[in-house]
Amino acid sequence: EAQVTQNPRYLITVTGKKLTVTCSQNMNHEYMSWYRQDPGLGLRQIYYSMNVEVTDKGDVPEGYKVSRKEKRNFPLILESPSPNQTSLYFCASSLSIGGLSEQYFGPGTRLTVT
Amino acid sequence: GIQVEQSPPDLILQEGANSTLRCNFSDSVNNLQWFHQNPWGQLINLFYIPSGTKQNGRLSATTVATERYSLLYISSSQTTDSGVYFCAPWTVMLTFGGGTRLMVKP
Repeated sequence: EAQVTQNPRYLITVTGKKLTVTCSQNMNHEYMSWYRQDPGLGLRQIYYSMNVEVTDKGDVPEGYKVSRKEKRNFPLILESPSPNQTSLYFCASSLSIGGLSEQYFGPGTRLTVT
Repeated sequence: GIQVEQSPPDLILQEGANSTLRCNFSDSVNNLQWFHQNPWGQLINLFYIPSGTKQNGRLSATTVATERYSLLYISSSQTTDSGVYFCAPWTVMLTFGGGTRLMVKP
């Protein structure tokens, strides 16, 4: 089944404890991205990657890191999480960028930082 | 960047009713997607529609790119249609509107 998977789905952690949210897609998509969703602010893009070893900042990259060492994986790293990073996170992928193909979203990761 | 406005922000329907959700955007776009976010938070693709009309069961969507708007029609609504509906135009990236929160009552 073609899908985007994320792990963990739920995470409660403490301020300053490094964490990684994994994202994997099995559709051979070139383009992957991360979003966060917050009440009143909607969905905002954190980082995106147009291909292996190519990543760029989205609208809200502060406090996050990403890497794209393999085509199928695009982990999101929080080196020192803070309470303002409590959010619902989505990973997404598409065959190409700029609207030339449909973007598919993972199931989401609910992160709480205390 | 592009501005995306969705209306109405909230909508309550009785089961079986029809509705139209609107999405206005401020710039030319390459494409547009509609999503449904269910009560469990999952984002489900509904339509990928740069222009024209598409139908999928009780749902249909129309995008008029030259006039910078898109419409989502829901006919014979069901309680399972409840959730938030987002439109997201594509320019270089996908930009989400604020959503329409729909509640369908039995």
